[in-house]
Amino acid sequence: GDSVTQMEGPVTLSEEAFLTINCTYTATGYPSLFWYVQYPGEGLQLLLKATKADDKGSNKGFEATYRKETTSFHLEKGSVQVSDSAVYFCALTYSGGYNKLIFGAGTRLAVHP
Amino acid sequence: GAVVSQHPSWVICKSGTSVKIECRSLDFQATTMFWYRQFPKQSLMLMATSNEGSKATYEQGVEKDKFLINHASLTLSTLTVTSAHPEDSSFYICSAPGNTGGLGYEQYFGPGTRLTVT
Repeated sequence: GDSVTQMEGPVTLSEEAFLTINCTYTATGYPSLFWYVQYPGEGLQLLLKATKADDKGSNKGFEATYRKETTSFHLEKGSVQVSDSAVYFCALTYSGGYNKLIFGAGTRLAVHP
Repeated sequence: GAVVSQHPSWVICKSGTSVKIECRSLDFQATTMFWYRQFPKQSLMLMATSNEGSKATYEQGVEKDKFLINHASLTLSTLTVTSAHPEDSSFYICSAPGNTGGLGYEQYFGPGTRLTVT
């Protein structure tokens, strides 16, 4: 079945460091891919998304490119801030938001000053 | 943007009792809502799809008699954990798809409800 695999955390970085969180997926069709972020004590928020191969999603300095050839959707940010400390989830779904999301395990990011 | 609320945000109950969790879409209508369960430091696992006016669809391995779902209106879905036991202690999260204005639909998540069964 369909699945999402994320790199294990926690990831600990100093402020202004470069961030990469790896995400790969297994899918029978052509899913849409998402990154969600969960800040402490809050609900999940959509960070960015890509709906087809080679699309790049971007938001708040974060980027991820839908790579069909490597079935990957790695999250990157050039310079992290303390406020980016959160748990990041990679997810996939089919045919828009009315279908269920399949999540990766989540990666906790801690950024220190 | 669209807002989904959950109530209560946390609840402690005794083993054997039942607990109801509400999920509301505050500024949009949702014919479908999703219920997830999240264990500590783990991912969200979909439990069921709640459908307004019809029965919920449960994922494999989820006991429908244990986790009762009622989608009473276009803005409210409830999850009742019946005869709760300590192993039911978890973080329960709901989501609802909302129209992003011509760009398709996006899932909006509630803040979650932490259930502790003693």
